Amino acid sequence: GAGVSQTPSNKVTEKGKYVELRCDPISGHTALYWYRQSLGQGPEFLIYFQGTGAADDSGLPNDRFFAVRPEGSVSTLKIQRTERGDSAVYLCASSPGTSVGDTQYFGPGTRLTVL
Amino acid sequence: AQSVTQPDIHITVSEGASLELRCNYSYGATPYLFWYVQSPGQGLQLLLKYFSGDTLVQGIKGFEAEFKRSQSSFNLRKPSVHWSDAAEYFCAVGPDNFNKFYFGSGTKLNVKP
Repeated sequence: GAGVSQTPSNKVTEKGKYVELRCDPISGHTALYWYRQSLGQGPEFLIYFQGTGAADDSGLPNDRFFAVRPEGSVSTLKIQRTERGDSAVYLCASSPGTSVGDTQYFGPGTRLTVL
Repeated sequence: AQSVTQPDIHITVSEGASLELRCNYSYGATPYLFWYVQSPGQGLQLLLKYFSGDTLVQGIKGFEAEFKRSQSSFNLRKPSVHWSDAAEYFCAVGPDNFNKFYFGSGTKLNVKP
C-alpha cells in the first residue's frame, strides 16, 4: 500500500516569500504530525493533528508557521515571510491514532531552502 | 524537560562486527522509547519500540535494544553488522501531552568492508 507522501521533494524560495508544503498521509490514519529536521539534528516536533483539528501546535516556532488539515486527510504546512533560518527538511508522519505510542510512518520529507 | 542524548555523532564498524548505539533520555514518567533508521533520501523507519514488559526488545533487521531504567538508557545493538546497515539512527522518547515525541540528534553509522 502507499506510504506517506510529501510534495514537493525540494523547494527553493527567496527570503520573504510564502511557501506551502503538502503531506498525504496513509489512508485511514487519523493522526498526523509535522516535524522539522535541521542539518545535523534529529526531527523536532512542530504540530500534531487528530482528525481535522490541531491537537497540539506547541512546536510551531512562531506565528509565521501555520498548518491545516481541513478534511482530516491531506495536510498543508504554510510558512509566511520565509527566513533563511527556516531552511530545513520538513517531515510529515501519520499514525492510526488509536492509542498513545502508535507507530508513526514518516514521509521522505520536503527539503526547503531559503535563499 | 524531556530530552534525548545520543553521545556518538559518528560510529564506524567493520562489516560483521557487533554494534552498540547509545541513547540516554530524560523523561518525567515511564517513557515510550523508539529507535528509527534514516537512509539517504528515505523517510525514517521504525526499528523497534518499548512500552513495558520485557526490557529487551527485538526489532526488524536483526536489531535489539535494552531498556535500563536505572541508567535512563535504551541502547541499540546488533550482533553482526551488514554494509546495508550504514545509515543514520535516531532514538526517540515520548509522549508528552499524549503525542509529542522528542528525538535525539542521531548517530551516523559507517560500515567498513
